[in-house]
Amino acid sequence: AQTVTQSQPEMSVQEAETVTLSCTYDTSESDYYLFWYKQPPSRQMILVIRQEAYKQQNATENRFSVNFQKAAKSFSLKISDSQLGDAAMYFCAYRRNSWGKLQFGAGTQVVVTP
Amino acid sequence: DTAVSQTPKYLVTQMGNDKSIKCEQNLGHDTMYWYKQDSKKFLKIMFSYNNKELIINETVPNRFSPKSPDKAHLNLHINSLELGDSAVYFCASSQDVPGSGNTIYFGEGSWLTVV
Repeated sequence: AQTVTQSQPEMSVQEAETVTLSCTYDTSESDYYLFWYKQPPSRQMILVIRQEAYKQQNATENRFSVNFQKAAKSFSLKISDSQLGDAAMYFCAYRRNSWGKLQFGAGTQVVVTP
Repeated sequence: DTAVSQTPKYLVTQMGNDKSIKCEQNLGHDTMYWYKQDSKKFLKIMFSYNNKELIINETVPNRFSPKSPDKAHLNLHINSLELGDSAVYFCASSQDVPGSGNTIYFGEGSWLTVV
């Protein structure tokens, strides 16, 4: 069964605009960790942001922020002031605990237009 | 000063051959992983080692054999390569302590093409 679901195969955004990527997950755990990774055409996997489930405050990293809704099991990523360099595949990922595997969604391709 | 490095980055080989991919991390982490990314870009874990001991083995054909000579290295050997083995293989590492759920850091990937 798919643990992490990304329902948007592709999202398009204009430079300087904002785009939100959705992610939902399925778990019976109360303590877990969520991540967004970026994969540009070079294929490098780059950590964008991480969220601990026990923290109510949403994580932010510069232009990247998340909306973590624990009850709804939702973890969306907002990219503000989009730049051409943000064009990439974005993966949502779930990790149950230490030494647990990272489970990925299918990814959302972000296209940034000038 | 690459944190997780893999070699080779690109590999083209014929069906039936045996090949290895090497991975080294200089982050001092105690857990290392191999992930496979298929042609549809779906990422899935294959193996995980903690302090040289195998802790995750995800229904991978036994043609794939990981080896961890020490906690900084995790190599992947593949026997009798098949067309379906064509993929990008990512090595990764993390430093895990109980309750931490620490971030997993990835190498640049090794792009394997079987012809």
